[in-house]
Amino acid sequence: GAVVSQHPSWVICKSGTSVKIECRSLDFQATTMFWYRQFPKQSLMLMATSNEGSKATYEQGVEKDKFLINHASLTLSTLTVTSAHPEDSSFYICSVRGDVAVFEAFFGQGTRLTVV
Amino acid sequence: AQSVTQLDSHVSVSEGTPVLLRCNYSSSYSPSLFWYVQHPNKGLQLLLKYTSAATLVKGINGFEAEFKKSETSFHLTKPSAHMSDAAEYFCVVSWRNSGNTPLVFGKGTRLSVIA
Repeated sequence: GAVVSQHPSWVICKSGTSVKIECRSLDFQATTMFWYRQFPKQSLMLMATSNEGSKATYEQGVEKDKFLINHASLTLSTLTVTSAHPEDSSFYICSVRGDVAVFEAFFGQGTRLTVV
Repeated sequence: AQSVTQLDSHVSVSEGTPVLLRCNYSSSYSPSLFWYVQHPNKGLQLLLKYTSAATLVKGINGFEAEFKKSETSFHLTKPSAHMSDAAEYFCVVSWRNSGNTPLVFGKGTRLSVIA
């Protein structure tokens, strides 16, 4: 299956600063990547669908100006949390989904963001 | 719209006893269904998947699930629980097998295993 690498695995930042999270598909060319957010003891909620070479599609209630997504190549998508606030503290996970014969999603190891 | 309902937020079993984690789905299409496991502060690992082949699906670590269309269920079972099975389990649905279709997660079931 695909190997998805996410970096950093954890980050602490000050309120008002921006944080960039990288998601790399190491052995799979992904035209689409997905970004999820997971609050403590809750499920994964889809934030946005990242499309290579075009604009991301955001889920209802997710601020596109706050969560900037760039998918410049088939192997890299980035999520930038701009002007972070404590309520943005969460576990962010990216994923790619196989196609044709491989349907499951492959997930990065996640990024624990803490905004202080 | 597609969705999944995990009927139990927390299940506690004794080591060596059977595990049953319940999941019902709602989908206008023939769904693909998955079970993922998440250990504390870790990423997600696929346990098993159903994609319209055999209705009884065997996964890793002794887990299996049966797709029952008449009941719109996809319950996860294991004959004998191990301590290492303690984790969060997610039932997940997709209405289309495509690389650009995201998965929809249930709320999760926390499995505790008592020695």
